[in-house]
Amino acid sequence: QKEVEQDPGPLSVPEGAIVSLNCTYSNSAFQYFMWYRQYSRKGPELLMYTYSSGNKEDGRFTAQVDKSSKYISLFIRDSQPSDSATYLCAPYTGNQFYFGTGTSLTVIP
Amino acid sequence: EAQVTQNPRYLITVTGKKLTVTCSQNMNHEYMSWYRQDPGLGLRQIYYSMNVEVTDKGDVPEGYKVSRKEKRNFPLILESPSPNQTSLYFCASSFDKNTEAFFGQGTRLTVV
Repeated sequence: QKEVEQDPGPLSVPEGAIVSLNCTYSNSAFQYFMWYRQYSRKGPELLMYTYSSGNKEDGRFTAQVDKSSKYISLFIRDSQPSDSATYLCAPYTGNQFYFGTGTSLTVIP
Repeated sequence: EAQVTQNPRYLITVTGKKLTVTCSQNMNHEYMSWYRQDPGLGLRQIYYSMNVEVTDKGDVPEGYKVSRKEKRNFPLILESPSPNQTSLYFCASSFDKNTEAFFGQGTRLTVV
């Protein structure tokens, strides 16, 4: 079983839609939960992170963690064409990151 | 500008011909690491370094070597590349292992 499972998509939505990106994980030792965004031909960049269960909001982005069900979500409100990218979840044990395979998102104008 | 610089960006080589991919960061970060990214497998850590002269294996270290003689540089060495090392490689650095990783632009390596 992989440490992190992420639906690869691709996901295609119209501009302005609410997007939900999800990951599941198996390791109870994960403490931090990162989301990275990767544009085509670029390296990943940190979008936001949460610690433990709960929600964290940053502008149009909300990260949500449910440790009881080992489920991680990233919500994008009012999606924009500039949000078109691959989104990688990356739970972290405090010692090592484990990256999901990424979900490819396209926001159509 | 804070950045992680990898070179080359693209490389095609033949099986068995030694190569080095360089990585340099200008943020005075202590922690550096190398990843490979493959379709369906995501990012997998190859090696990491906690500081100068301190390196350790990640999840997929076979066929790779690294060195950390200076804080800013962390080259990835393939002594005898094989086709299964065809991949997209990323170098990353962070202040320490618990903080945000800054990634380079990537090196697309093809071994024929």
